[in-house]
Amino acid sequence: GEDVEQSLFLSVREGDSSVINCTYTDSSSTYLYWYKQEPGAGLQLLTYIFSNMDMKQDQRLTVLLNKKDKHLSLRIADTQTGDSAIYFCAESIGNNDMRFGAGTRLTVKP
Amino acid sequence: ETGVTQSPTHLIKTRGQQVTLRCSSQSGHNTVSWYQQALGQGPQFIFQYYREEENGRGNFPPRFSGLQFPNYSSELNVNALELDDSALYLCASSGGQRDTQYFGPGTRLTVL
Repeated sequence: GEDVEQSLFLSVREGDSSVINCTYTDSSSTYLYWYKQEPGAGLQLLTYIFSNMDMKQDQRLTVLLNKKDKHLSLRIADTQTGDSAIYFCAESIGNNDMRFGAGTRLTVKP
Repeated sequence: ETGVTQSPTHLIKTRGQQVTLRCSSQSGHNTVSWYQQALGQGPQFIFQYYREEENGRGNFPPRFSGLQFPNYSSELNVNALELDDSALYLCASSGGQRDTQYFGPGTRLTVL
């Protein structure tokens, strides 16, 4: 398909791990990104992974990339209430475009 | 280092009017991209400016136009506003055409 797909909602308990999944469209995408958006705010870059990697870890964040299935995931360890936000997966397209998913709303319950 | 800034924060216009949104890129960045984010959706690419020239455009009509200035700040102009233009407009800057993009806080446009 032509869309970057994400599940719309995820709810976890504080202290648990969160896993947000994404299926992207273009096998030639060079970079894949995860952005976080809090209510009323712009997008904050969380992390990105180059297409020749299959894993990247950055503190509590782990990104896994399966190029064969065009599947990207973001794992947040020890999820905190401050992690509650909408998380967007995005792929780089061509020279300048980025294609975003519709976002996954993560709710962290105390 | 100053991040990406946008103005105004909020704007209310009526159908048929014209609007100009502004963006200052992050220090050292020469590329600005504009996105439209409708409620409940991900951002959609409008166009990109690199060194004052349009460098790619998404599926938006010609009434969406832009400029980039010598200091790499940018404007997005929308003519003949329609109700469906109501959205959060996001600007992102990067150090080059394919580099990682850093977003501003956005301008929320409401068209009545």
